[in-house]
Amino acid sequence: SQQGEEDPQALSIQEGENATMNCSYKTSINNLQWYRQNSGRGLVHLILIRSNEREKHSGRLRVTLDTSKKSSSLLITASRAADTASYFCAEETSGSRLTFGEGTQLTVNP
Amino acid sequence: EAGVTQFPSHSVIEKGQTVTLRCDPISGHDNLYWYRRVMGKEIKFLLHFVKESKQDESGMPNNRFLAERTGGTYSTLKVQPAELEDSGVYFCASRVGFYSPLHFGNGTRLTVT
Repeated sequence: SQQGEEDPQALSIQEGENATMNCSYKTSINNLQWYRQNSGRGLVHLILIRSNEREKHSGRLRVTLDTSKKSSSLLITASRAADTASYFCAEETSGSRLTFGEGTQLTVNP
Repeated sequence: EAGVTQFPSHSVIEKGQTVTLRCDPISGHDNLYWYRRVMGKEIKFLLHFVKESKQDESGMPNNRFLAERTGGTYSTLKVQPAELEDSGVYFCASRVGFYSPLHFGNGTRLTVT
């Protein structure tokens, strides 16, 4: 099955540093979405980027999309301990479903 | 607005027993999805309802799983009989239409012993 694949699987940084997570996918997409999951909670939507967009910002988050390489990246700037969570990308192709990967576990150390 | 709610939050059952999970989507969200995450692996799609109709159930693992959404409101996912490999976290999500963000519930952690 086609699915987003996040890289790295785990990332540990210090507070104040930037965190970059990458996502690759295999098909043509309508949009790609990033979600965060805190332990024991549901996923929370962060950013949606459409196939005709190359970059989007939301607060300390920056998402890029390269459709020629079928890849996306999520940058969190000036990280905080509260950013510790799992981050997932999800691709949406023709509607109906979003396809998720295994996620990146981000740990931000105080 | 109230978010997506799932019940129960945890369930521990024995192999061979039956469990029913419930999901209440956000009011007005016609699209309801079930996903599952097993052993920290990828979040796998199970099925998708549009109102009361099953739009896509290609992710349902086998006929031990039965999902319903009577009246197009809340949904149930029944596992009967449960097997050990059914353990995992079952997420429900809803959204107004395609190409928009999903709103997730907190999930039901199912443990089959």
